[in-house]
Amino acid sequence: DAKTTQPPSMDCAEGRAANLPCNHSTISGNEYVYWYRQIHSQGPQYIIHGLKNNETNEMASLIITEDRKSSTLILPHATLRDTAVYYCIVRVRGYDDYKLSFGAGTTVTVRA
Amino acid sequence: DAGITQSPRHKVTETGTPVTLRCHQTENHRYMYWYRQDPGHGLRLIHYSYGVKDTDKGEVSDGYSVSRSKTEDFLLTLESATSSQTSVYFCAISESAGPSERSYNSPLHFGNGTRLTVT
Repeated sequence: DAKTTQPPSMDCAEGRAANLPCNHSTISGNEYVYWYRQIHSQGPQYIIHGLKNNETNEMASLIITEDRKSSTLILPHATLRDTAVYYCIVRVRGYDDYKLSFGAGTTVTVRA
Repeated sequence: DAGITQSPRHKVTETGTPVTLRCHQTENHRYMYWYRQDPGHGLRLIHYSYGVKDTDKGEVSDGYSVSRSKTEDFLLTLESATSSQTSVYFCAISESAGPSERSYNSPLHFGNGTRLTVT
């Protein structure tokens, strides 16, 4: 199974862009990269996903390197409400592709 | 936010008693899942359902059973609760998943969880 590596924590200033890195060097060709976040005491919240092209939605942008071995989630204007644990996940292929494996994630603290 | 309601939100029960958690969705999604979240273990799949009356086991299914008699409801039952089942339980839904539909890009949406304490 492909696995991901994320820094355990990072801080960012309110109003600035937050860039969250993720390494997934063993990703297979048709596996998607997903990002979720979990705010304390709530369920994980889907943010964005992509295969190989960069993606943007109302919450964030996802930049995937050309070799697909890493990606960056960008929160363009971080707010205090973006403080959460962010999970980078590779969707496991095959029969168990619904079994999302959440690692430890990156704890992001947005400071005023 | 996806229309997912978990009940109860909090539950304290005694060892050996049966407990049922309910997940209700208003999205008419085919797939529903039960996960548990524990420190050091992340999210682990307990059971999932791919349609009415169609369910299967996840990676930590021992001591749990599920039922799905309607598209919108997925019940998780702890047959005889133990202290090791103290956890936060999350329900999730998705439109499609699985190799037969060859769909890898349907995200899961999670409910807000049920915090269960077994004393």
